[in-house]
Amino acid sequence: AQRVTQPEKLLSVFKGAPVELKCNYSYSGSPELFWYVQYSRQRLQLLLRHISRESIKGFTADLNKGETSFHLKKPFAQEEDSAMYYCALATGGGNKLTFGTGTQLKVEL
Amino acid sequence: DGGITQSPKYLFRKEGQNVTLSCEQNLNHDAMYWYRQDPGQGLRLIYYSQIVNDFQKGDIAEGYSVSREKKESFPLTVTSAQKNPTAFYLCASSMGQGPSYNEQFFGPGTRLTVL
Repeated sequence: AQRVTQPEKLLSVFKGAPVELKCNYSYSGSPELFWYVQYSRQRLQLLLRHISRESIKGFTADLNKGETSFHLKKPFAQEEDSAMYYCALATGGGNKLTFGTGTQLKVEL
Repeated sequence: DGGITQSPKYLFRKEGQNVTLSCEQNLNHDAMYWYRQDPGQGLRLIYYSQIVNDFQKGDIAEGYSVSREKKESFPLTVTSAQKNPTAFYLCASSMGQGPSYNEQFFGPGTRLTVL
C-alpha cells in the first residue's frame, strides 16, 4: 500500500535561513507527488507538483526515485512562509491522494 | 470566494444521530472528494467520486455514506456507526484524472462535534 511520511511535526527556522521540509513515499507504481500548503485562516491549496518542475514562491522540490523522496526546499525563509505543509502522493489513476501527516513551518524573526 | 463551499462551518450533534455535511462546487469539476482531518494524522480520504452517479470508498469509509446525484454536489452523511465522528471534514474537487487535471481544490471545511 502507498504511504507518505513527513518525519517532522514542527520545523522552526529563522528568517533568511534555508528551509527543507522532508517527505518520503512508498509506492510500487510510478509516483506523482505534490506539496499542498495551508496558511493561517486560509484553505488548503496546491503549492507545487513534481511534474511541473517549477519554483513557486521560491520553493522547489525534486523527485528522487532512488531515495523515494520529494523534499521541499527554499534557500531563504520568509515570515510569510509560516504555514502547514502537506506532502501528497497521487495513485488510482491520478485522482486519489494519500497525504502525509504534515509539517508546521514556523519562521521566526 | 466561491468555487467550492461547505456548510455549515460548525455542526453539533448528539451521539447516535446521523448528520449530513454539504459540499457544493461551481467549478464544473468532474471529481469530488471527502477527507477527514485529525490532529497529527493529516488528511485521510473517506470517499471520492470521479463522475456523477459513481463513487468509491477511500481509506476510512466505514461509518460514512455519500451520494453524487448532481455534478455540483457531493454530500457526506456521518452515520451513528462511525465510532469517532468528531473531526474536521474537508471537501475537495478536481477537473478529472491525469496530471493536467488532478489538482484538488479544497473547501473551507466543516467542524463536526458529536456530544
